[in-house]
Amino acid sequence: AQKITQTQPGMFVQEKEAVTLDCTYDTSDPSYGLFWYKQPSSGEMIFLIYQGSYDQQNATEGRYSLNFQKARKSANLVISASQLGDSAMYFCAMREGDTNAGKSTFGDGTTLTVKP
Amino acid sequence: GAVVSQHPSWVICKSGTSVKIECRSLDFQATTMFWYRQFPKQSLMLMATSNEGSKATYEQGVEKDKFLINHASLTLSTLTVTSAHPEDSSFYICSARDPGRASGNTIYFGEGSWLTVV
Repeated sequence: AQKITQTQPGMFVQEKEAVTLDCTYDTSDPSYGLFWYKQPSSGEMIFLIYQGSYDQQNATEGRYSLNFQKARKSANLVISASQLGDSAMYFCAMREGDTNAGKSTFGDGTTLTVKP
Repeated sequence: GAVVSQHPSWVICKSGTSVKIECRSLDFQATTMFWYRQFPKQSLMLMATSNEGSKATYEQGVEKDKFLINHASLTLSTLTVTSAHPEDSSFYICSARDPGRASGNTIYFGEGSWLTVV
């Protein structure tokens, strides 16, 4: 079974609007971390935001926020006030067990295109 | 600035030759590094976990004799693609765990290396 599911292969959003990228996960481990990365065409993986399984509040980093719904096993990324530079591929990832273990499982990604 | 650096950023090699990719942690000592492979428009697939001073742990289906991993120091892991073939052409990216961070994001990715085998 796929551990990380991103159901949106591609998304379009108008500049300055907000967009939500979906991510659901599957794990039986009570301790895990959820991550979102941005990958522009250059290939580098840019860390955006992190949510620990025991964190009580949803993570926020500037224009990025993570809508963490633990019971539903979802960790959607919300990007507010989209910018043209946000156009890229976005990956949701999970690390199970000890958050220091480091081994990541990635979803298939969502290609976001911001329209002017 | 980058805390994990990969080199080279891109490389073209002839079929049958070997090519080495380096992954360096710049600001911390990394006992564990990870190597991923990514085909265009696809997800990152973990190839192996590189452990300093011991053998790498390979994921199922990854040929350990073809993808040689060496983690000889706390700041350097290398991936050598031996007897490369066109189907090995891909984007290879490493990540390293910063043991000095207790929680949150503890992993940093390199810039990635584009390999083209002709």
